[in-house]
Amino acid sequence: GAGVSQTPSNKVTEKGKYVELRCDPISGHTALYWYRQSLGQGPEFLIYFQGTGAADDSGLPNDRFFAVRPEGSVSTLKIQRTERGDSAVYLCASSQQGNGWNSPLHFGNGTRLTVT
Amino acid sequence: DQQVKQNSPSLSVQEGRISILNCDYTNSMFDYFLWYKKYPAEGPTFLISISSIKDKNEDGRFTVFLNKSAKHLSLHIVPSQPGDSAVYFCAASAIGQTGANNLFFGTGTRLTVIP
Repeated sequence: GAGVSQTPSNKVTEKGKYVELRCDPISGHTALYWYRQSLGQGPEFLIYFQGTGAADDSGLPNDRFFAVRPEGSVSTLKIQRTERGDSAVYLCASSQQGNGWNSPLHFGNGTRLTVT
Repeated sequence: DQQVKQNSPSLSVQEGRISILNCDYTNSMFDYFLWYKKYPAEGPTFLISISSIKDKNEDGRFTVFLNKSAKHLSLHIVPSQPGDSAVYFCAASAIGQTGANNLFFGTGTRLTVIP
C-alpha cells in the first residue's frame, strides 16, 4: 500500500515568505507527527496529532510555526515569516495509534526547505 | 541537550562481518527504544525496537541489546551486506512513564559495508 506522502519534495523560498508543507499519512493511521532534521542532526520532534487535535505541540520552536489536521487525515505545516535558520528537511510520520510497541512511526521522504 | 547520543558518526565493515552500532541515552525515563535506517533522499525506515522490560530483541540478521544500568543500547547486524549501507538512527521515548508520544533521535551513524 501507499506510504506517507509529502509534498513538495523541495521548496525554495525567500526570507520572510510564508510556506505550507503537506503530509498525507498512511490510510487508517490516527497518529501523525512532524519532525525537522537539520544537517548532521537526527530528526527533532515538532508536533503530534491524534485524530484532528494537536495532542502535543511542545516541539514547535516559536509561534511562526503552526500545523493543522482538520479532517484527521492530511496535515499541513505552516511557517510564517520564514528565516534562513528554518532551512531543514521537514519529515512527516504516521502510526496506527501513536508511538508504542506495536505501532512504530512510518516516515515520509520529507520536504527539503531552503530559505534564501 | 542531546538525550540520545550516537558517538560514532561513521563505521566501515567488510561484507559478511558483524556491524555493531552503539547508542547511549541520558534520560532514565526512556522505556522504549528503536532503530531506524535511512537511505539518501528517503525518510527513516523502522528497523527494530525493544522495550525496557527486555534486554534483547532479535529479528533476522538484526539484534538490539539494551543495558539499562549503563543506559546503553546497541544494534548488531550479522552478516553485514552491502545493502545495509545507510545512516542508522537510534531513537527513544518515555511513553510508558510520561505518556509523551514523541521520539528523541540520536545524530546517526553512517554504516558502509564494503563488498
